[in-house]
Amino acid sequence: NAGVTQTPKFQVLKTGQSMTLQCAQDMNHNSMYWYRQDPGMGLRLIYYSASEGTTDKGEVPNGYNVSRLNKREFSLRLESAAPSQTSVYFCASSVKSNEQFFGPGTRLTVL
Amino acid sequence: GESVGLHLPTLSVQEGDNSIINCAYSNSASDYFIWYKQESGKGPQFIIDIRSNMDKRQGQRVTVLLNKTVKHLSLQIAATQPGDSAVYFCAERAPYNTDKLIFGTGTRLQVFP
Repeated sequence: NAGVTQTPKFQVLKTGQSMTLQCAQDMNHNSMYWYRQDPGMGLRLIYYSASEGTTDKGEVPNGYNVSRLNKREFSLRLESAAPSQTSVYFCASSVKSNEQFFGPGTRLTVL
Repeated sequence: GESVGLHLPTLSVQEGDNSIINCAYSNSASDYFIWYKQESGKGPQFIIDIRSNMDKRQGQRVTVLLNKTVKHLSLQIAATQPGDSAVYFCAERAPYNTDKLIFGTGTRLQVFP
């Protein structure tokens, strides 16, 4: 099993550009999550999906949209990137109410 | 190198010593807690978990202690090795929404020879 995979690993955008971060898991988990991690800070939840077909806002949803494409895939979209969105983005999945398994991260820089 | 955790609290220990990493959690109603390890350039990895009906749980070289009275978690690593160098996060399951975990800010563990 690959676990949680994320693409791309690195991305540089100009202010105003859009992009989609992809995440997939092969563990048959119901719940999936998107976090951002900034230096000196812990993980902050952007959006999550408790089950296929549902999505909910987390702590810092502004400037992002998500799509739970199917049970395996959960994408994060930046419609108009801003320098404040420079961060490391992690996708995670879990069986409901248990430990979350994390992907390797996407390092995004917005110039 | 990875810039995550530039200004985190840091614990420096000598190889072979025991390490204790502490964490205060926020919700007295939280019933499930996890410790994660994050190495430079990687995603967080599960180390050990504990439920609120327990005070202590042991794994391989790691022990988690839970003090519900003061809302405090600790992670003890025995015979610390260079490979233990990482940032360690505690997380609590949100009592108001069990789909969510609330993460602490993390502690950087540095192991020197």
